Amino acid sequence: QAVLTQPSSLSASPGASASLTCTLRSDINVGTYRIYWYQQKPGSPPQYLLRYKSDSDKQQGSGVPSRFSGSKDASANAGILLISGLQSEDEADYYCMIWHITAVVFGGGTRLTVL
Amino acid sequence: EVQLVESGGGLVKPGGPLRLSCAASGFTFSNAWMSWVRQAPGKGLEWVGRIKSKTDGGTTDYAAPVNGRITISRDDSTNTLYLQMNGLITEDTAVYYCATDHGLFNWGQGTLVTVSS
Repeated sequence: QAVLTQPSSLSASPGASASLTCTLRSDINVGTYRIYWYQQKPGSPPQYLLRYKSDSDKQQGSGVPSRFSGSKDASANAGILLISGLQSEDEADYYCMIWHITAVVFGGGTRLTVL
Repeated sequence: EVQLVESGGGLVKPGGPLRLSCAASGFTFSNAWMSWVRQAPGKGLEWVGRIKSKTDGGTTDYAAPVNGRITISRDDSTNTLYLQMNGLITEDTAVYYCATDHGLFNWGQGTLVTVSS
């Protein structure tokens, strides 16, 4: 079982909200991790969006709009990237990441389509 | 402004070596933990390894698939990060990015490594 699992794709309409999930393997507790989120558009490197561990331990990337936010669903053992007021420019691949022991682990990525 | 410029990619035969460089500017490189991340064509992101700052010990950690075949080093006098890869295999074909800090906050544009006979 992968350490981080993301749905491969998600579609949403302009102006709507999209909730991208990053589910941790069952033997690791989402509550103990900072979850990092990145956006990658075709032909470009990833860009850091934000990091979220709790409401008191979170960080927004420089210049990242506030309509991008992080949260967790402890019952699902998952991190969540919420994008509100979707715009066409939000169409991209989104990756979650954690530091697990001494290594970085990425989720497989979610391709978000805005249509 | 943080700038990271990778170089050294290209076509290499299986089994061959290759050294990538990442020239950094716009921040205090010597204080930064630096990582290499790769992305195979059409695939997701894969962390390759990391080097800590010298003040934090300068130690390295590597991903399991490349451990034993790669070495990450740094030259703080020239603000340059290196990735030495040996025994390259076709599965190493990817764009290689360098990225800053624990949170991978800043990324370069990447350099393409193609391993093929």
